[in-house]
Amino acid sequence: SQQGEEDPQALSIQEGENATMNCSYKTSINNLQWYRQNSGRGLVHLILIRSNEREKHSGRLRVTLDTSKKSSSLLITASRAADTASYFCATVYTGGFKTIFGAGTRLFVKA
Amino acid sequence: DVKVTQSSRYLVKRTGEKVFLECVQDMDHENMFWYRQDPGLGLRLIYFSYDVKMKEKGDIPEGYSVSREKKERFSLILESASTNQTSMYLCASSPTGGSPLHFGNGTRLTVT
Repeated sequence: SQQGEEDPQALSIQEGENATMNCSYKTSINNLQWYRQNSGRGLVHLILIRSNEREKHSGRLRVTLDTSKKSSSLLITASRAADTASYFCATVYTGGFKTIFGAGTRLFVKA
Repeated sequence: DVKVTQSSRYLVKRTGEKVFLECVQDMDHENMFWYRQDPGLGLRLIYFSYDVKMKEKGDIPEGYSVSREKKERFSLILESASTNQTSMYLCASSPTGGSPLHFGNGTRLTVT
């Protein structure tokens, strides 16, 4: 399987703290995407980073990509209780068409 | 805003039944996808389609088929439902290959 891996599987933090989630993948990619899923709902796209980019920001989100290590991280700064959700990385492999998802990180932010 | 609509939020079917899951998108997207989501396994791709009447197998196509007769509609078919197909099914669409996916809210299917 081309599926990537995320760690940690679950993360519990206090409101105001930063949350960092990591994603590793297996072969060269076109881009890497992060999604959020609230309980029992569909996924919502957060941010896309291309293979020639190293860092990207969107509001309180910061994504880094290290293609030499085949890894990415998602940082959520100053977390809020409303950030409680599952977060998934997804990769589109070079020359491919499919978007492949990892198993996700469950984030719980305590108020 | 793109809307991807899945026809049912919850569905209960019996083993051996033929099951149809319907998905409609309203933004003229070329690509449509069916995933299933199981605890600890994340999302796994069942089938996808990059054009009307075109389909490609994903990572777990066994036991499933799909139909895309119109651009906006992508149907997932369980020919003979089995209990191991109890899962959350998510439909998604995207305008081009590699672009972000827009998801429906999912159909939670239980096969008894």
